[in-house]
Amino acid sequence: KQEVTQIPAALSVPEGENLVLNCSFTDSAIYNLQWFRQDPGKGLTSLLLIQSSQREQTSGRLNASLDKSSGRSTLYIAASQPGDSATYLCAVVNTGFQKLVFGTGTRLLVSP
Amino acid sequence: NAGVTQTPKFQVLKTGQSMTLQCAQDMNHNSMYWYRQDPGMGLRLIYYSASEGTTDKGEVPNGYNVSRLNKREFSLRLESAAPSQTSVYFCASSRQTQETQYFGPGTRLLVL
Repeated sequence: KQEVTQIPAALSVPEGENLVLNCSFTDSAIYNLQWFRQDPGKGLTSLLLIQSSQREQTSGRLNASLDKSSGRSTLYIAASQPGDSATYLCAVVNTGFQKLVFGTGTRLLVSP
Repeated sequence: NAGVTQTPKFQVLKTGQSMTLQCAQDMNHNSMYWYRQDPGMGLRLIYYSASEGTTDKGEVPNGYNVSRLNKREFSLRLESAAPSQTSVYFCASSRQTQETQYFGPGTRLLVL
């Protein structure tokens, strides 16, 4: 059974810092990996989707990498801003399955 | 463009009562999903519909039923609510399964 872990559960940084969020998964037979952002009391917003054949994806200040063999993904946020404060979740779809399996998220606070 | 909408936003039920959570999407997506989110447990899939006319169980289907009314609408029914079903419920949709999912704003349900 696929299990997705995100460490740390919470992270606090000053504005302007570059930071890395971690995601690990136990079964490397994945179809894709997705990163989401969730603001308090809101739904999830998709940030990046990495196919299993890809090594990374970029969108603005965000860069997500994928290492299937080691079961790890990282989300790099450059020059963090207070508006980046949110919970970040990663989720994987296993090959042959149609369902996302979510991690429990990292709650990020960027202070001015 | 409304995306994914959910009604109601908030609901209080007594144990044993029934209710239906409504979800609609206007993106012409084929696949729709129902999740619940609980503190420390992350998002867990309740049911999904890969395409109009099909529904399948997710990780935690017990106590719930679903109906894919048409391509746009996917409802979740609690026949006899229990306190363990207190949670935040999210509906999501995607063009196809395994592709990027788009989430609604959520329904907060409290069962007393």
